Amino acid sequence: NAGVTQTPKFQVLKTGQSMTLQCAQDMNHEYMSWYRQDPGMGLRLIHYSVGAGITDQGEVPNGYNVSRSTTEDFPLRLLSAAPSQTSVYFCASSSNSRNYGYTFGSGTRLTVV
Amino acid sequence: AQTVTQSQPEMSVQEAETVTLSCTYDTSESDYYLFWYKQPPSRQMILVIRQEAYKQQNATENRFSVNFQKAAKSFSLKISDSQLGDAAMYFCAYRSEVGSQGNLIFGKGTKLSVKP
Repeated sequence: NAGVTQTPKFQVLKTGQSMTLQCAQDMNHEYMSWYRQDPGMGLRLIHYSVGAGITDQGEVPNGYNVSRSTTEDFPLRLLSAAPSQTSVYFCASSSNSRNYGYTFGSGTRLTVV
Repeated sequence: AQTVTQSQPEMSVQEAETVTLSCTYDTSESDYYLFWYKQPPSRQMILVIRQEAYKQQNATENRFSVNFQKAAKSFSLKISDSQLGDAAMYFCAYRSEVGSQGNLIFGKGTKLSVKP
């Protein structure tokens, strides 16, 4: 089925470890974004991309890196995990037609101990 | 910068009744899009309804409708004939028409409970 695929769905990390959250979409969408969701905070933008080779920071970028080498993939890297990065992470994609909103992946629940 | 405010952290409705979730936003732009997303316990974000700011007619999708008041910068969601499956977090979101970003800006959400 077409959509946004996120892996893994769950992950536990130790403080200081690094990891990459994978995100892939098969809809040929130009826009891709990473959000984190914390209780009472809604969804906050971490990084986003408006096309292959183009990325920029969102509201809460510290501690995260992204790259966009292809239209389909937009991985999120945690450089040195901290307990404050315990959250649910969503990848989302959208076409250039902004009235259609974003399609979201199923999310990754990350716990940093 | 644009902001989205959902002033009701939690709401409750009786099954088969009608409930309205509130959303206000702040922007200096004239062209934009507004969305309501539903997040059930499964965690999946589901687009419920969308509204183009240039359209005066309120959007409707089956039991879901919006009351869009552009001058007041208000975008409420009405759920009619509430069902148990409507229980979820609901997020209001804004998207700019112009500019290079095009990201969604979310409110903090309203948790809706449906009583049988």
